[in-house]
Amino acid sequence: DVKVTQSSRYLVKRTGEKVFLECVQDMDHENMFWYRQDPGLGLRLIYFSYDVKMKEKGDIPEGYSVSREKKERFSLILESASTNQTSMYLCASSLYSGRTGLTEQYFGPGTRLTVT
Amino acid sequence: AQKITQTQPGMFVQEKEAVTLDCTYDTSDQSYGLFWYKQPSSGEMIFLIYQGSYDEQNATEGRYSLNFQKARKSANLVISASQLGDSAMYFCAMREGRRGTSYDKVIFGPGTSLSVIP
Repeated sequence: DVKVTQSSRYLVKRTGEKVFLECVQDMDHENMFWYRQDPGLGLRLIYFSYDVKMKEKGDIPEGYSVSREKKERFSLILESASTNQTSMYLCASSLYSGRTGLTEQYFGPGTRLTVT
Repeated sequence: AQKITQTQPGMFVQEKEAVTLDCTYDTSDQSYGLFWYKQPSSGEMIFLIYQGSYDEQNATEGRYSLNFQKARKSANLVISASQLGDSAMYFCAMREGRRGTSYDKVIFGPGTSLSVIP
């Protein structure tokens, strides 16, 4: 069974704090993703990584950075948290099986971050 | 740039009836894939069905089928014989790859909330 775990289910931080969200997968997947989910906006891609040390910006990377030093771990960093980063953060991973192959994503349980 | 549109924020369907959830997409890539995921109120994301851009047949998985119209760039989800447990958010998603690498970008639409009425 593929398992994607996230370091916290709930997190409360103050404006200006540096925040680390960690995601670990145990199935040797090449691809890992960070999304934020907000009502009415669906899941918006922040960053993704298709190999160790490889990272690509998604659609809303501003205010975020990522780190992937090991294949199984993908960290999302909020350098200076702001109230507009209050959201549900979802991590996902997938196995690459070719450009048109089926590579469904496996999601973690999510981290609900509140920035006050 | 990639984009996914789901124009129905909320839908209602009578139990045992069929329902179609709309999804249109925009991409300049020739090779891509389309997914549908279900998110019940518990929050987990459940993969439902996948269609590759070169697949000639529409994908089916049990009560789920994907009505893929490539020229119109639409990938609608059809749920047959709706059940109360189908009440959830439904997300359409698209992946794009890059030749010669494991590059895989997946974006999601805003979702459709489906309510099944007894």
